[in-house]
Amino acid sequence: DTGVSQDPRHKITKRGQNVTFRCDPISEHNRLYWYRQTLGQGPEFLTYFQNEAQLEKSRLLSDRFSAERPKGSFSTLEIQRTEQGDSAMYLCASSSQAANTGELFFGEGSRLTVL
Amino acid sequence: KNQVEQSPQSLIILEGKNCTLQCNYTVSPFSNLRWYKQDTGRGPVSLTIMTFSENTKSNGRYTATLDADTKQSSLHITASQLSDSASYICVVSEYSGGGADGLTFGKGTHLIIQP
Repeated sequence: DTGVSQDPRHKITKRGQNVTFRCDPISEHNRLYWYRQTLGQGPEFLTYFQNEAQLEKSRLLSDRFSAERPKGSFSTLEIQRTEQGDSAMYLCASSSQAANTGELFFGEGSRLTVL
Repeated sequence: KNQVEQSPQSLIILEGKNCTLQCNYTVSPFSNLRWYKQDTGRGPVSLTIMTFSENTKSNGRYTATLDADTKQSSLHITASQLSDSASYICVVSEYSGGGADGLTFGKGTHLIIQP
């Protein structure tokens, strides 16, 4: 499978715990995005990388959220001191700047439930 | 403020029937508009892209239209099948080359096909 993969697919945690999600983009894609989606809503932008550089971060993102893409390949999204309001689907997407189509290829998502 | 409004919010139709989903946007400048299909618990998948000069584009039983003057798009599904049950998300881009800051997502239309 050469699509975008995310791990874990599901995570249940207690309030106050830290969680980390991993995303492996399509190998030739240099752009990587994190989105959050709650029930009945469209994806909400969190942050965006071009290669290893984090070019944009949503103002809605609290300091408890941090994302890295150290070698320009896979990325991690960490949420510290989770709150019940963090419960959502976390979607990763990748795209190719060279292809210049702007199409995003999404992973299956990581569903977080904070108890 | 750039906005993408989709209607209806949800729709239930019988298998075999046709339906049309609407997307109105205020994004400016405009580069392209994509329709994504999102199955429950999965990531969105691109169905079609409409650029400024395109009025109609078909992808199997899916036909998208774009009126750049009125800033409206529609997605018509012909002879619906049970597998069409999903959320359909309209995404408008300001830039042809992608990049997260140029994308505005709609909240989606939740379509249910009943046998």
